[in-house]
Amino acid sequence: AQTVTQSQPEMSVQEAETVTLSCTYDTSESDYYLFWYKQPPSRQMILVIRQEAYKQQNATENRFSVNFQKAAKSFSLKISDSQLGDAAMYFCAYRSASGYALNFGKGTSLLVTP
Amino acid sequence: GAGVSQTPSNKVTEKGKYVELRCDPISGHTALYWYRQSLGQGPEFLIYFQGTGAADDSGLPNDRFFAVRPEGSVSTLKIQRTERGDSAVYLCASSLRQGYDNEQFFGPGTRLTVL
Repeated sequence: AQTVTQSQPEMSVQEAETVTLSCTYDTSESDYYLFWYKQPPSRQMILVIRQEAYKQQNATENRFSVNFQKAAKSFSLKISDSQLGDAAMYFCAYRSASGYALNFGKGTSLLVTP
Repeated sequence: GAGVSQTPSNKVTEKGKYVELRCDPISGHTALYWYRQSLGQGPEFLIYFQGTGAADDSGLPNDRFFAVRPEGSVSTLKIQRTERGDSAVYLCASSLRQGYDNEQFFGPGTRLTVL
């Protein structure tokens, strides 16, 4: 079974600064997808960014980018120009290319201070 | 268009009671998923529907849990003889189909509290 590890229970960043959230995973598969989800207090999980394992290029969505290191099984999320609205729980998730179930880490709580 | 909706938003019940949690997926989405999120944890997969049938129910913790999707749209998660350990947020998600481009859209969840 694949495991997803987020070693930072809580992170803090000042508004307009940059923060990086860490995620590692364990798998024997070669083809899979990785995701970062944001969960605000409303509880609704929102997809932030997605990375296909077969793509070497790191995914980018506006202020959000990832550092995908396939050999190291590492998938970190960088948030640039942090905004107060970025404060939330962030979950890293894995999905097999042939599967459908998302396998989540325990999450990182991101605090954004003015 | 409307997103995934779940009712009720919160449910408080007593140990031993039966509960039903409802999920309305995005119109046209054939795939539907249930996850359970315990306090301080990430969501854990429970069951996956493709159309009306449960394609994978391997995540259901025991036979007290059951889910249906009789017409391929709305789904109901049913929990019998609830236990305090069942307290969690139950999240539902839907996607257009299974496969590569199957972004899962989540609902706001139902917070179940078993006293």
